[in-house]
Amino acid sequence: GESVGLHLPTLSVQEGDNSIINCAYSNSASDYFIWYKQESGKGPQFIIDIRSNMDKRQGQRVTVLLNKTVKHLSLQIAATQPGDSAVYFCAENMDTDKLIFGTGTRLQVFP
Amino acid sequence: GAGVSQSPRYKVTKRGQDVALRCDPISGHVSLYWYRQALGQGPEFLTYFNYEAQQDKSGLPNDRFSAERPEGSISTLTIQRTEQRDSAMYRCASSFDSGGSSYEQYFGPGTRLTVT
Repeated sequence: GESVGLHLPTLSVQEGDNSIINCAYSNSASDYFIWYKQESGKGPQFIIDIRSNMDKRQGQRVTVLLNKTVKHLSLQIAATQPGDSAVYFCAENMDTDKLIFGTGTRLQVFP
Repeated sequence: GAGVSQSPRYKVTKRGQDVALRCDPISGHVSLYWYRQALGQGPEFLTYFNYEAQQDKSGLPNDRFSAERPEGSISTLTIQRTEQRDSAMYRCASSFDSGGSSYEQYFGPGTRLTVT
């Protein structure tokens, strides 16, 4: 299949550890943020979202933190598993349906 | 149910030829989006539709690119007089609603376009 993110920043973690993936977004007027996971050969898959009136949102094993002061978004994955290995993208949205994707981060999980 | 489907999955064409890429969104999804993704980068917005209406085409690179969704379901992205720089993965996404309740966009597998 197609390889995504040949030269992306890479985060390597051991299975069972927690992962933190960071993203800086560009537009202070953005009001909605999403994290996507993209496995090789597949399209991006929605993980979790957060609106600008929140600073934290939790899902199953994932937490998104939003710091609007410094325009920073992070994705925390608890007890990282081999199946979490993928490229992760953050995306921002400003009052329209157009998503602006950031630079991805490759997560590698080692046993 | 079935996800977003795109066809063809791979397309090789010669420079100067026209190509048409098809997207079949999830049934009932109101909004449909086209993106282009280069290797190592996130998807880049091209255009989107609510039902059959094209709401935003600001991401289309030039007038060789056009898209339509005549019946509010299947969409076609057409590239005329293809150039080598058009080579990329073209992805389609759909969402149930636009704004309001859900922005969650479901992506298709993409069409890999290679212009020789």
